[in-house]
Amino acid sequence: QQQVKQSPQSLIVQKGGISIINCAYENTAFDYFPWYQQFPGKGPALLIAIRPDVSEKKEGRFTISFNKSAKQFSLHIMDSQPGDSATYFCAASKYNFNKFYFGSGTKLNVKP
Amino acid sequence: EAQVTQNPRYLITVTGKKLTVTCSQNMNHEYMSWYRQDPGLGLRQIYYSMNVEVTDKGDVPEGYKVSRKEKRNFPLILESPSPNQTSLYFCASSSIQSPSLWEGRDEQFFGPGTRLTVL
Repeated sequence: QQQVKQSPQSLIVQKGGISIINCAYENTAFDYFPWYQQFPGKGPALLIAIRPDVSEKKEGRFTISFNKSAKQFSLHIMDSQPGDSATYFCAASKYNFNKFYFGSGTKLNVKP
Repeated sequence: EAQVTQNPRYLITVTGKKLTVTCSQNMNHEYMSWYRQDPGLGLRQIYYSMNVEVTDKGDVPEGYKVSRKEKRNFPLILESPSPNQTSLYFCASSSIQSPSLWEGRDEQFFGPGTRLTVL
């Protein structure tokens, strides 16, 4: 059973537009929700992360929105740029850093 | 330069031939982990280690072994590889922060990946 479900599988956005990627989880024990960005041929890199005691976290053009009651969280990329074209993974974990569960990934293509 | 290194980067082998993929980090991190990445499945955790001599199973440990004899190294061992272990493998490491320090970026640093093909 997949612990974290991610959608959409792929996304095409025009330059300057907003990219939105959604994730849902089942286990209410999760208390750490990171997003990773992966470029072709590279390992994933942490983009932004949130804990469930806040509903939103913003870092530059990247925002995580968190809905604890719905067990959903999403990544918003404002003013999307071609350089944002990458695969994005959401993940969930308990904060004591034991097991991590990743979503299936979203391939984002930002067209110039 | 702070980094996680993996070797080899590419490996083609045959069914049943034991292999080891090495992982090393130079950041004095306590936590290390192995993942496999498959199309449509994202990353799935194989094993993780909270410190030297402390390892535990992730989501997909079958067919894999690990050891953590030194803090910096966390090798992944496939005793008898099978074609269904053909995948892209990533090692990662992280410092274990206390919750009160969480506002820092407690990120997992990932290695460059090892593409394994088992024929």
